[in-house]
Amino acid sequence: DAGITQSPRHKVTETGTPVTLRCHQTENHRYMYWYRQDPGHGLRLIHYSYGVKDTDKGEVSDGYSVSRSKTEDFLLTLESATSSQTSVYFCAISELSGTGKHEQYFGPGTRLTVT
Amino acid sequence: QKEVEQNSGPLSVPEGAIASLNCTYSDRGSQSFFWYRQYSGKSPELIMSIYSNGDKEDGRFTAQLNKASQYVSLLIRDSQPSDSATYLCAVSRGQGGGNKLTFGTGTQLKVEL
Repeated sequence: DAGITQSPRHKVTETGTPVTLRCHQTENHRYMYWYRQDPGHGLRLIHYSYGVKDTDKGEVSDGYSVSRSKTEDFLLTLESATSSQTSVYFCAISELSGTGKHEQYFGPGTRLTVT
Repeated sequence: QKEVEQNSGPLSVPEGAIASLNCTYSDRGSQSFFWYRQYSGKSPELIMSIYSNGDKEDGRFTAQLNKASQYVSLLIRDSQPSDSATYLCAVSRGQGGGNKLTFGTGTQLKVEL
């Protein structure tokens, strides 16, 4: 998984509680992304980062916040978890190559269940 | 209209045959195109990227891109049971810089003995 770890790998939490998922990379890549994957919707971008302290919203950012204080770590926080946020969450990383190519590699995923 | 469309399948092919997976996209500004393979319960794995019109071959895989028709395909030659997975098509406007991907919902491929 291209030097990417996610923690926790599985989590069950209750509605209304805050939850933080962590993505850690050892590739020193500049760009990091959080996606969620749901049946019928495919992978959808939540937030992404283009450098330390530089983040932006994706397609489905409501109810989520992110932080990136170090190159290697990108945190996703569900401020007050809801059942609609039950999903599999994937982190991805990428770097711009010298030829202009830009490919994303995914971490192993975190399965989150909100009861 | 979905931004990236794929037939959900399942697409069933016999072992040794050619599997053809198709993807259409709506954003004419798309510049980068990717195919990922995802086994059940696992994360997506990048298998092909293509940036210009035409064919790109890598082993048993060939990606084909036609920007005028807004169409990208993946051919898998000599299909093996281990190729049974869901194949995700992804597109991006950026060839450099931040590379936000838009994914299709995937095509399930089954390679039968």
